[in-house]
Amino acid sequence: NAGVTQTPKFQVLKTGQSMTLQCAQDMNHEYMSWYRQDPGMGLRLIHYSVGAGITDQGEVPNGYNVSRSTTEDFPLRLLSAAPSQTSVYFCASSYSITYGYTFGSGTRLTVV
Amino acid sequence: SQELEQSPQSLIVQEGKNLTINCTSSKTLYGLYWYKQKYGEGLIFLMMLQKGGEEKSHEKITAKLDEKKQQSSLHITASQPSHAGIYLCGADDTGNQFYFGTGTSLTVIP
Repeated sequence: NAGVTQTPKFQVLKTGQSMTLQCAQDMNHEYMSWYRQDPGMGLRLIHYSVGAGITDQGEVPNGYNVSRSTTEDFPLRLLSAAPSQTSVYFCASSYSITYGYTFGSGTRLTVV
Repeated sequence: SQELEQSPQSLIVQEGKNLTINCTSSKTLYGLYWYKQKYGEGLIFLMMLQKGGEEKSHEKITAKLDEKKQQSSLHITASQPSHAGIYLCGADDTGNQFYFGTGTSLTVIP
C-alpha cells in the first residue's frame, strides 16, 4: 500500500550512540518532514524538506541531521543520542505544504 | 490500522465567518487530538478529547467528540486571519500508536 514507511518502530539507545531513523514514501511527494511528539507538548517540527537536495531546520533541530538525496527517502540521524531525545518520532509527507499530510506510524525511541 | 478522514480538505472563508472542520474515525476513538500548523513551524497542540460528548474550548475554537459516531468537529467562531493554517486531527488507539488525519487547510480572507 502506498504511504509513508518508518523504520524501526521501536529503538533503545545508550547515551552517546548514533543512529538513523528511516523514512520512505512512494507517493512522489515533494514535501517531507520529521516531528517529535512529547507528552504535554504536542508535535514539534525537527527538519523539513521541500524537495530532493533541499532541507531546512524546524523548531527543534539541535542534535539531528537530515539529508534528501532522493524524493522518496528522508532519513533522520541522531549524532550522539541524549536522554532528552527520548520521544516518539513521526515522518510525514505531502504533495505541497497546503495539501494533506500522510504520516508514518512513528518510531518510539528511548535513550538510556 | 485506524484511519482518520478529515473534511473539508481545504476551506476559504471571509473574516468574521464561522466554520466547522470534521474528523471521522474508522474505529473507536479513545483520545482525539486537534493540532494547528503554520508553514515551517511545528504543530501547535490545541486540545484533546477523551470521552463521548466531551466539549472543550480554546479562545474562539471549540471541539467536540461524538464517540458514538466516532467523529469530532472543530468549530471556529468569527474567524480571523490568525486562524489561518492547517488543522490536523490525531487519535490514540491505546496501543501507543498515533494516527493523524490528512489535514484541512484554512484560509481566512480579510
